[in-house]
Amino acid sequence: GAVVSQHPSRVICKSGTSVKIECRSLDFQATTMFWYRQFPKKSLMLMATSNEGSKATYEQGVEKDKFLINHASLTLSTLTVTSAHPEDSSFYICSGFDRGPSYGYTFGSGTRLTVV
Amino acid sequence: SQQGEEDPQALSIQEGENATMNCSYKTSINNLQWYRQNSGRGLVHLILIRSNEREKHSGRLRVTLDTSKKSSSLLITASRAADTASYFCATETGANNLFFGTGTRLTVIP
Repeated sequence: GAVVSQHPSRVICKSGTSVKIECRSLDFQATTMFWYRQFPKKSLMLMATSNEGSKATYEQGVEKDKFLINHASLTLSTLTVTSAHPEDSSFYICSGFDRGPSYGYTFGSGTRLTVV
Repeated sequence: SQQGEEDPQALSIQEGENATMNCSYKTSINNLQWYRQNSGRGLVHLILIRSNEREKHSGRLRVTLDTSKKSSSLLITASRAADTASYFCATETGANNLFFGTGTRLTVIP
């Protein structure tokens, strides 16, 4: 079945540095990739939607200059948290949307970001 | 916010019992999906029910959808300890976005 590989699974960084999270769709082409943020014991909040080759669409309240999304190919999307601060610490999950035979959403395993 | 709400927020049952989780949402939908999340992990798709369907089964899972009440329920029958996880409903609208409910944390006691 469709798989989305997300890396890293955990990352600790210092305040002010940038962190890049990668999501790769395996065995399918993710024309659309969604990025979510999840706080402890809370639901997933959609941050942005990116379509291959075009600019991401950000949800209200999400800073596009803070959370840079690149979706340069049908199998790779990246989220870069720039100038990270402790309040950016969270669990980030990507989801690839497959319009092909395996129609549906496939989620990555998530990235636990801790900013110290 | 398009986020749905689920109840209960937490549910603890004995192994073998049935678990029922409810989800309410706010807007018109194309379909509603249920996902499972083990602690600190990604989401696993369980079942999808389309807006023109009222009930769907998959193994020990039974999902209902009432579009007039904008609500859905997930029933897990004969629960097992391995069913312990958080369960989320998610609605898909015409824009191909998924909006998640608040989730139910299920604990199945052996």
